Amino acid sequence: DAGVIQSPRHEVTEMGQEVTLRCKPISGHDYLFWYRQTMMRGLELLIYFNNNVPIDDSGMPEDRFSAKMPNASFSTLKIQPSEPRDSAVYFCASSTLNRQGRYGYTFGSGTRLTVV
Amino acid sequence: AQKVTQAQTEISVVEKEDVTLDCVYETRDTTYYLFWYKQPPSGELVFLIRRNSFDEQNEISGRYSWNFQKSTSSFNFTITASQVVDSAVYFCALSEHQGGSEKLVFGKGTKLTVNP
Repeated sequence: DAGVIQSPRHEVTEMGQEVTLRCKPISGHDYLFWYRQTMMRGLELLIYFNNNVPIDDSGMPEDRFSAKMPNASFSTLKIQPSEPRDSAVYFCASSTLNRQGRYGYTFGSGTRLTVV
Repeated sequence: AQKVTQAQTEISVVEKEDVTLDCVYETRDTTYYLFWYKQPPSGELVFLIRRNSFDEQNEISGRYSWNFQKSTSSFNFTITASQVVDSAVYFCALSEHQGGSEKLVFGKGTKLTVNP
């Protein structure tokens, strides 16, 4: 199992540009989460999906942020237009609770975004 | 609202010392889950443990042990005979239990430095 795969690992962009972060969850996991980590706010949940449907986006900071999950194996987090205060590490995670009661909640390696 | 407090911002110990990381949580849920994650300097989030609110048994895994006390809303983590490789930021997290999904609320983290 390759784990949760995020791309790119690092992204540097200029203020005002569009940024797209990508995530491939673990196969069979039915929940997908986007978290953001900053020094000031720590780790905070932005949005999560269940079976590709957005369930709770109350953590999305503003309209400049949008997330999609077109299928079970892919999700994107888009920022348009980007601002310097969006600089952070963005983590994707996926989870499931199978019939045997075995639980998995795995984070990707994160995307470090720098907006200059 | 749910809240996780890790009062220790930074801890520094000498190798082979035992160290305890504190975690205090607040929730109105009767069913909840508690987690510990390790974030080494490389930045990824490594799952250490997940414990449900009905299981107050302490757990030991090698040099790691966890003490869950519902009466004091605490879920403390002890590393016995610390090693330099234990140097990392450790996060305690609390989940809202909604079906199979678990939105994690993280503490601010405790940075542990183990000196040789």
